[in-house]
Amino acid sequence: DAKTTQPTSMDCAEGRAANLPCNHSTISGNEYVYWYRQIHSQGPQYIIHGLKNNETNEMASLIITEDRKSSTLILPHATLRDTAVYYCIVRLYGNKLVFGAGTILRVKS
Amino acid sequence: AAGVIQSPRHLIKEKRETATLKCYPIPRHDTVYWYQQGPGQDPQFLISFYEKMQSDKGSIPDRFSAQQFSDYHSELNMSSLELGDSALYFCASSLGAGGGPVEKLFFGSGTQLSVL
Repeated sequence: DAKTTQPTSMDCAEGRAANLPCNHSTISGNEYVYWYRQIHSQGPQYIIHGLKNNETNEMASLIITEDRKSSTLILPHATLRDTAVYYCIVRLYGNKLVFGAGTILRVKS
Repeated sequence: AAGVIQSPRHLIKEKRETATLKCYPIPRHDTVYWYQQGPGQDPQFLISFYEKMQSDKGSIPDRFSAQQFSDYHSELNMSSLELGDSALYFCASSLGAGGGPVEKLFFGSGTQLSVL
């Protein structure tokens, strides 16, 4: 599975959009981009995933660049409860989920 | 909705003792994954099972073993415990691994193992 690079940490004001970038320049054509988050000491939680098209669900939006070398997770209206470590993971469908160094998002009031 | 259930929530053991962690997947999920998360670290994949057969293996020590039973629950057995085994152990379940599409993993709340 391709490696990903994320900022170590980011701050976001409550109520504003949180935009979390992820670089995955070595992604192959059949690898998906997944986002999970982990709120302090809880089990990781699935957020969203995509292959090449932008995706949106009730939690977030995923924007994938046309060359698929990077993506951005967007939390449209961040709340204090969104403070967590966010993991961008690239994997083939069916492969194990491998967590790398994620982004610590701190939402501040 | 039913979630992944792990037991116990907390476990305290002495060095060289054994421990068994249990995981009950979401009903109808056929795949179970085990992860270990040390203090301040990211979750590390240990092992997974699909339809009661081991499907993938990560950085699981030889002192650890696991299996998935006929009712799809899984147990992680840990022997000759060391101080470094102190960690949060997560189990996750999904539907359709082993060649089929796996959309997402659902994680349990974890078992906090402390080895003294």
